Amino acid sequence: QKEVEQNSGPLSVPEGAIASLNCTYSDRGSQSFFWYRQYSGKSPELIMFIYSNGDKEDGRFTAQLNKASQYVSLLIRDSQPSDSATYLCAVKWRSARQLTFGSGTQLTVLP
Amino acid sequence: ETGVTQTPRHLVMGMTNKKSLKCEQHLGHNAMYWYKQSAKKPLELMFVYNFKEQTENNSVPSRFSPECPNSSHLFLHLHTLQPEDSALYLCASSQDPSGVGDTQYFGPGTRLTVL
Repeated sequence: QKEVEQNSGPLSVPEGAIASLNCTYSDRGSQSFFWYRQYSGKSPELIMFIYSNGDKEDGRFTAQLNKASQYVSLLIRDSQPSDSATYLCAVKWRSARQLTFGSGTQLTVLP
Repeated sequence: ETGVTQTPRHLVMGMTNKKSLKCEQHLGHNAMYWYKQSAKKPLELMFVYNFKEQTENNSVPSRFSPECPNSSHLFLHLHTLQPEDSALYLCASSQDPSGVGDTQYFGPGTRLTVL
């Protein structure tokens, strides 16, 4: 069964700290990985995607992918209260042209 | 308008009503999606359309009926719903589902309450 798992949290970090969000997936036939941010009552918005092993950086965000260990993580540097949201991990399987989402991790950045 | 729009934003309906949700994308994309998001549960893919053809139906009950007249518009027709169908219904679009980095862009959603 193809699954995407995230710790639901809530995860709390102080302002200025690094927030680390993790996602594991159960199938090795994965193709690419997406991180979305969803504020309460709003729709998901893309942060970044990654499909090669290693790190990918975009501003304060870094996605890390380790296909052998089947995990992908998102690091948020210099966390701000405005980063408080639910972060969704999504996996695109090679055998399917659709995304499978995790249940999300709720992040709170404390001022 | 830009991006993906959805109407209505909020909908309250009785179990015997018939209503429709509308989605429109202004991004020139070829694929459109319907998702259901319930509290504390992952986003559930309902339907996928690519070039107006339905390519996915994830065992969705027949009380939900999608319609895609063209690549820019997507409807979800609702009839005889149950209270457990109350959720946020999200529409999304993307350029090419077969692409490795194909990114889905979401509309603001319709908050549906079934009484």
